[in-house]
Amino acid sequence: AQSVTQPDIHITVSEGASLELRCNYSYGATPYLFWYVQSPGQGLQLLLKYFSGDTLVQGIKGFEAEFKRSQSSFNLRKPSVHWSDAAEYFCAVAVSGGYQKVTFGTGTKLQVIP
Amino acid sequence: NAGVTQTPKFQVLKTGQSMTLQCAQDMNHEYMSWYRQDPGMGLRLIHYSVGAGITDQGEVPNGYNVSRSTTEDFPLRLLSAAPSQTSVYFCASSYSRQLNTEAFFGQGTRLTVV
Repeated sequence: AQSVTQPDIHITVSEGASLELRCNYSYGATPYLFWYVQSPGQGLQLLLKYFSGDTLVQGIKGFEAEFKRSQSSFNLRKPSVHWSDAAEYFCAVAVSGGYQKVTFGTGTKLQVIP
Repeated sequence: NAGVTQTPKFQVLKTGQSMTLQCAQDMNHEYMSWYRQDPGMGLRLIHYSVGAGITDQGEVPNGYNVSRSTTEDFPLRLLSAAPSQTSVYFCASSYSRQLNTEAFFGQGTRLTVV
């Protein structure tokens, strides 16, 4: 069965600084990969996804992620963080077969300080 | 568009009580699902449905029932609430179970069982 690890429970960055959130997955074949954001009191919103093709994926709100097969990673990046990016971020992985097969990571909570 | 609407937003139950969490979507989505979110555990799938009249169990179905009598509604029933069911519950929907369709999440129901 696939698994996904987000090693950082909590990250604090200064506004304007760059951000990288780590995500590692465990699965033999190339999985489907997602990043979601959850703002306080809200549901999850899709930031970006990777299925195949170009390993650098652009998403909404200025985020991008890079799939690295050799490292089994799908790290999320943003060049300059805004205070409104403070939220919890979830990486998710799925095998083929549909949404019922999606496994979510435990989340990384991002704090942005002025 | 209202998207995915969950009610109530907050609920406190006593052990042994039953209740129904409501979920409605107005996007004519075929696929709907229920997750619970617990600290340090990410989201875990409780039940899902691929269309009216069709439901199936997810990862953590015990203690919960679902039905899908219409495309729009997918209620989650707690038969006899237990403190272990204290959690935040999210309903999600997508056009189909296929991963290339975007999943939309409700704002969540925070349930406390005392």
